[in-house]
Amino acid sequence: TQLLEQSPQFLSIQEGENLTVYCNSSSVFSSLQWYRQEPGEGPVLLVTVVTGGEVKKLKRLTFQFGDARKDSSLHITAAQPGDTGLYLCAGDRIGSYQLTFGKGTKLSVIP
Amino acid sequence: ETGVTQTPRHLVMGMTNKKSLKCEQHLGHNAMYWYKQSAKKPLELMFVYNFKEQTENNSVPSRFSPECPNSSHLFLHLHTLQPEDSALYLCASSQRTLAHEQYFGPGTRLTVT
Repeated sequence: TQLLEQSPQFLSIQEGENLTVYCNSSSVFSSLQWYRQEPGEGPVLLVTVVTGGEVKKLKRLTFQFGDARKDSSLHITAAQPGDTGLYLCAGDRIGSYQLTFGKGTKLSVIP
Repeated sequence: ETGVTQTPRHLVMGMTNKKSLKCEQHLGHNAMYWYKQSAKKPLELMFVYNFKEQTENNSVPSRFSPECPNSSHLFLHLHTLQPEDSALYLCASSQRTLAHEQYFGPGTRLTVT
């Protein structure tokens, strides 16, 4: 059983569309992180959310942490081809200093 | 150089070879990590070093041997690997007290033939 489930696994959309990807768990996390990874590169940290219900915005990207700190969502408005990549969520469970990663959502934005 | 660098970027080795992967961080961090990324699997944490001391070894086979001579450098020594060890090996660093905010290198794409 995967500790962090990400959905959908794959997403292909047209430029200008909106999308939401999800990261769900039955465990409570001290914090959740979102990373974007492009082919041939390592993951790049986008945001950290630490408070239940917290919403953070990064230009066209909106990140939300669930009230119970078990899940998170990433919403992209007016997607651009530059948003293409693998979106990974990761979390550190209470009492653990290790990060647990989901399998990721592979996003393709078609011009 | 800034951030986290890894060399080589690509490596092809036979099962009887010995090779080493190198990671260097220029962020002033004091914790470093090795991860394995395989297709269709989440990132797997292999080793953690805090202040040059190994604090985690997640049941990694002994054919992988880490070395951390100082807080800025991390090595992964490889010997007698198996084809299923082919993967992207990622190095990351963080402040020990902010272990949830890790910064990754570009990875080494390893192919074992």
